[in-house]
Amino acid sequence: DVKVTQSSRYLVKRTGEKVFLECVQDMDHENMFWYRQDPGLGLRLIYFSYDVKMKEKGDIPEGYSVSREKKERFSLILESASTNQTSMYLCASETGTGYGYTFGSGTRLTVV
Amino acid sequence: AQSVTQLDSQVPVFEEAPVELRCNYSSSVSVYLFWYVQYPNQGLQLLLKYLSGSTLVKGINGFEAEFNKSQTSFHLRKPSVHISDTAEYFCAVSRSGYSTLTFGKGTMLLVSP
Repeated sequence: DVKVTQSSRYLVKRTGEKVFLECVQDMDHENMFWYRQDPGLGLRLIYFSYDVKMKEKGDIPEGYSVSREKKERFSLILESASTNQTSMYLCASETGTGYGYTFGSGTRLTVV
Repeated sequence: AQSVTQLDSQVPVFEEAPVELRCNYSSSVSVYLFWYVQYPNQGLQLLLKYLSGSTLVKGINGFEAEFNKSQTSFHLRKPSVHISDTAEYFCAVSRSGYSTLTFGKGTMLLVSP
């Protein structure tokens, strides 16, 4: 089975800190995605990538950036964390269009 | 752009009863449709998907969904639920040939004895 691993299950960071959320998949998937999940809002797409060094903005990219230096790793970066970025962050990967995502277990980030 | 509406935020049901979770989508182009399930404190897991072909799609854990193009719906059904089906269910849509998904806000299925 494909495994998508998010490095931290829970994180607490201070306002203004630079935060790195790491995601690694072990099945050579081309496509990787970062979503945030908030109660009553469902999942919203932050950034995605179809290849190494490639990135595309999703629906809510403001305040975030990403890095994909290796195919298996897709990092989400909060340049200067703010309290409104307190959320559950979900990473997903997909072998190709239409196959369906495999999700990681999520990182619950609290910004204080 | 595509959008998804899940009509019920919560659906309470008794064990062994049938259940239907409703999903409607909006799109001016052809779409792919998905249902995902999220158990407490876990990521999402793919239940089933519709890409093309037969409009009745069977998934894992006894779930099925029917694509209805005229009503732009993709409702999820199970004939007899178990306590272990208690979870949040998300409907999602993408434009055909594209990977990025738009998710609904989720429906919490609460199964009681």
